[in-house]
Amino acid sequence: QKEVEQNSGPLSVPEGAIASLNCTYSDRVSQSFFWYRQYSGKSPELIMSIYSNGDKEDGRFTAQLNKASQYVSLLIRDSQPSDSATYLCAVNIRRGSTLGRLYFGRGTQLTVWP
Amino acid sequence: EAQVTQNPRYLITVTGKKLTVTCSQNMNHEYMSWYRQDPGLGLRQIYYSMNVEVTDKGDVPEGYKVSRKEKRNFPLILESPSPNQTSLYFCASSLFEGSRSGANVLTFGAGSRLTVL
Repeated sequence: QKEVEQNSGPLSVPEGAIASLNCTYSDRVSQSFFWYRQYSGKSPELIMSIYSNGDKEDGRFTAQLNKASQYVSLLIRDSQPSDSATYLCAVNIRRGSTLGRLYFGRGTQLTVWP
Repeated sequence: EAQVTQNPRYLITVTGKKLTVTCSQNMNHEYMSWYRQDPGLGLRQIYYSMNVEVTDKGDVPEGYKVSRKEKRNFPLILESPSPNQTSLYFCASSLFEGSRSGANVLTFGAGSRLTVL
């Protein structure tokens, strides 16, 4: 099992819909979880971080974390064409050390059509 | 402006010709890292550095070298590039990453697109 897995997509939703992006991770004791957005040809940029179980909302974005299920998701409400991008899930994972490394999923490509 | 600067942004080279991709950050970050991004494979870590003179291998270090002589700079060296190193490379930095309380947020450079013929 890869350290971080995302639903491969591509995901296509109409403008105004809710886009749901999912991510699972392998390390049960991971504590830090991030969602990055990457436009084509550009560098990733952070859009959400979450550290505790439950939901965290920031504008149209909601991150959901369930540590028992080793699952983190990103919901985008009222999706806009400008949300069309690749979304990368990143998880801090420890490997035989007290320090962790950040592992990225392969990304889910989202297209929002007008 | 707080940023990570990579150079060159684009490079076409030939097999075996040594090259260096520079990376510099102005945020006094301890942690720096190099990633390569290939279609369908996502971001894969090449090397990372926790601080000056402290570097370690990531998941795909073969064919690459790094050094961290100064806190702000973290160059990526390809001693003898091969076509399988054709990729999009990103440098990133953060305040100390990997503590028990959670990793800090990565700031990425704009990327360097390398083609090896």
